[in-house]
This record gives sequence, structure tokens and C-alpha cells, in this order.
Amino acid sequence: KAGVTQTPRYLIKTRGQQVTLSCSPISGHRSVSWYQQTPGQGLQFLFEYFSETQRNKGNFPGRFSGRQFSNSRSEMNVSTLELGDSALYLCASSLGRGEGEQYFGPGTRLTVT
Amino acid sequence: SQQGEEDPQALSIQEGENATMNCSYKTSINNLQWYRQNSGRGLVHLILIRSNEREKHSGRLRVTLDTSKKSSSLLITASRAADTASYFCATDVNDYKLSFGAGTTVTVRA
Repeated sequence: KAGVTQTPRYLIKTRGQQVTLSCSPISGHRSVSWYQQTPGQGLQFLFEYFSETQRNKGNFPGRFSGRQFSNSRSEMNVSTLELGDSALYLCASSLGRGEGEQYFGPGTRLTVT
Repeated sequence: SQQGEEDPQALSIQEGENATMNCSYKTSINNLQWYRQNSGRGLVHLILIRSNEREKHSGRLRVTLDTSKKSSSLLITASRAADTASYFCATDVNDYKLSFGAGTTVTVRA
């Protein structure tokens, strides 16, 4: 089975721009979660999607949004980028909600200049 | 805010030695999980221990959980150079999101 894939792997954007990151979960997995990892704040939960609905949201401003498609693929969007948004964005999938372990993708490294 | 805190922040050991790291958390949990991350890449799931379990083994890994002390430990036995990585504990408080600690960076010297 192919693992979780994330595209693009690296991205450089300018302050004020917006960005869309994509995540394809493991085949058959219906839950997708997003995390932000920075040296200062560590790994922080962004949101969780299941059956095309956002089920849970972390403590991030409204500039961070996401969606899930019927094939369970997910995208997250960050608008009006700030320098502090520079981070590794990780996507994780699991079979269903509360299914225990999550399987992580390699991440998208976003640099905002 | 982070639910879990790992201790120590960093650990350097000789190949063949054992490595132990601890995780403390604040609220009641559904389960606790340990993950490994190599050089800023994706996280790899190592082991999950449920709140009603006290100890779990997987290969060279041994995890304990003490819910009365709200703490867990991860032991890696007979360490190898390939074990060099950051290790994170993550707690699931039954709301389907993981709260991660700051991690322990382990360096295994040849």
C-alpha cells in the first residue's frame, strides 16, 4: 500500500500570498489530520477531516482552512501568509476517527519570505 | 498548548546501550502514542498504549504507562546508529486529535 503523500514537498512564498497544500491519504483511510511543526511551538494540531467534514479544529486563526474531498484527499489553505507561517506541515491519515495510530506523510516545508 | 512534555530534551548514548525517555501529561487520556522523526521528515508511529494498559513491547521498544502519575516511558534497548532521531509522545484525549510533546533528540554514537 502506498503511504501518505503530500505535495508539494517544498514551497517558498512571499508575505501576503496564499498557499494550498495537498494530502493524499493511504487508500481506505477516511480520516485526515493536519499538523504544523515549528522549532518554537513544536507540533500543533490544525484540523481533522472525516467524511468531507471538518470535525475538529486547533487554535489557529481563520487564515488557515482546509477541505476534504469525496475520495478522502485533503487540501489545506493558508491565506495572507506571515513570516511565522514558515513551518513543516504534516498530514496524517487513519482508518477512521479514534482508530489509534496515525500515519504521517513526509510533510511540506513552507518558507515565507 | 502542549499536553505532553518529554524528558530529557536530548540524549547521547553509545551504540549498544539502552535509551530511556519519559513523557508527562496533564489530563486524562484515551491512549498515548510514541512517534519517531528523522531529520525533519514525517513521523513514524512506533507504539500505542491504551489507558487501561501498563506495559507494551514492540521489538526493541518497551513502553510503560502510569496513569496515576500521568507519565509514560519509552525504552530502546541495544541502540543502533539508525535509532538516531527525535522521539515524541502524543496523547489522545478521546477527541481524535493528538497533542504532542516537545520531543527528545536521541543521538547514538558509533
